[in-house]
Amino acid sequence: GAGVSQSPSNKVTEKGKDVELRCDPISGHTALYWYRQSLGQGLEFLIYFQGNSAPDKSGLPSDRFSAERTGGSVSTLTIQRTQQEDSAVYLCASSPHRVRLAGYTDTQYFGPGTRLTVL
Amino acid sequence: GNSVTQMEGPVTLSEEAFLTINCTYTATGYPSLFWYVQYPGEGLQLLLKATKADDKGSNKGFEATYRKETTSFHLEKGSVQVSDSAVYFCALSGSGGSNYKLTFGKGTLLTVNP
Repeated sequence: GAGVSQSPSNKVTEKGKDVELRCDPISGHTALYWYRQSLGQGLEFLIYFQGNSAPDKSGLPSDRFSAERTGGSVSTLTIQRTQQEDSAVYLCASSPHRVRLAGYTDTQYFGPGTRLTVL
Repeated sequence: GNSVTQMEGPVTLSEEAFLTINCTYTATGYPSLFWYVQYPGEGLQLLLKATKADDKGSNKGFEATYRKETTSFHLEKGSVQVSDSAVYFCALSGSGGSNYKLTFGKGTLLTVNP
């Protein structure tokens, strides 16, 4: 079946502009995650959705970053007033289940990422 | 907080050589451990995982054993192929209420020459 898809695959923008990045998770996956992969910081967790709610936004680097998820499916990560340090690959992942049980491990399936370049 | 340290690359090997990529971790509780692989131009793929001490994860000839006493999860393969050239990431998921959050190492670039 189809995997996680992300769009656009590449985005070049000017400093100060807003950008929206889209993630389509695997159908039926209730959990969705955003990560950022940058040269300096490696792979960093940004935000976790369970259904349409985000119980953990602790990784969002500033209030310029926001994300939403609608219909328990598509998610959009929005970066306002982009800065050059926002340049990175933004990865989305989804997983099948609610991850509540201690010791339970839910495999995350990653999309190909969106490469964001802020000039 | 949780952290993962893996050997820095790049690692360059000849085909059929033995591969070890070291990974150690710091975490509270009982995390699950993962190796992810990123082939050129592709997204992250789960390679293998282990959820408790002494578990061995294996896939495509790769193996890693969850060693709680040494807090390690080293990746090994007996005979690498050119097609194994990729970036390998060691990761852990927190235990308890934060078991959804993956913490990654910096990644190790492996190049296998024919």
